[in-house]
Amino acid sequence: DIQMTQSPSTLSASVGDTVIITCRASQTISAWLAWYQQKPGQAPKLLISKASTLENGVPSRFSGSGSEAEFTLTISGLQPDDSATYYCQQYNSDFGTFGQGTKVEIK
Amino acid sequence: QVQLVESGGGLVKPGGSLRLSCAASGFDFSDYYMGWVRRGPGKGLEWLVYTSASGNYKRYVDSVKGHFVISRDNGKNSVYLQMNSLRVDDTAVYYCVRARSSRGSGSYYAEYWGLGTLVTVSS
Repeated sequence: DIQMTQSPSTLSASVGDTVIITCRASQTISAWLAWYQQKPGQAPKLLISKASTLENGVPSRFSGSGSEAEFTLTISGLQPDDSATYYCQQYNSDFGTFGQGTKVEIK
Repeated sequence: QVQLVESGGGLVKPGGSLRLSCAASGFDFSDYYMGWVRRGPGKGLEWLVYTSASGNYKRYVDSVKGHFVISRDNGKNSVYLQMNSLRVDDTAVYYCVRARSSRGSGSYYAEYWGLGTLVTVSS
């Protein structure tokens, strides 16, 4: 199985900050990576697929980059509504495996 | 808009069975792969199974093979997860997802998710 490791596990930042979350795969996965956002009591929401393709309706302050085995999710200009847990998931091979999550808190 | 609503969770004893349902709306259900993902307490998210648009193709993760069965009824816009021989470590929130892939990828990601239904396996 491909292992996905996210860092950090928790981060605290101020409104307006730029936040970077890293996701590393245990082997190369090309660009087959998705990012999700989950807020308490809500369903997870797909933000990005294919490492950098933003889903319709997702604010442009979210961006994804990377390939092969190292990826980042960047939030440029953190907003209070971005307080959530973020997960990466590889879909290079069955079964898609998830990172353990990064909780983003607003200071 | 796309909605996925799970039901059927609850408390069950080890060795028992439970059937989860997922009612889909807001899209042409018979055109899409569907699947189930779970998150156990203190555990990460885990893809369990997905099924093709017709229901003819199904793929299970090893941990639930022979133990869980996915099915779908395109006439009712619903997908189901029959869970048998439940174990304590099957305790989790179970999410119904609409699955999607990118051309060239080997697996699927979850384009839409339901809110989830809690399954607790305990004596």
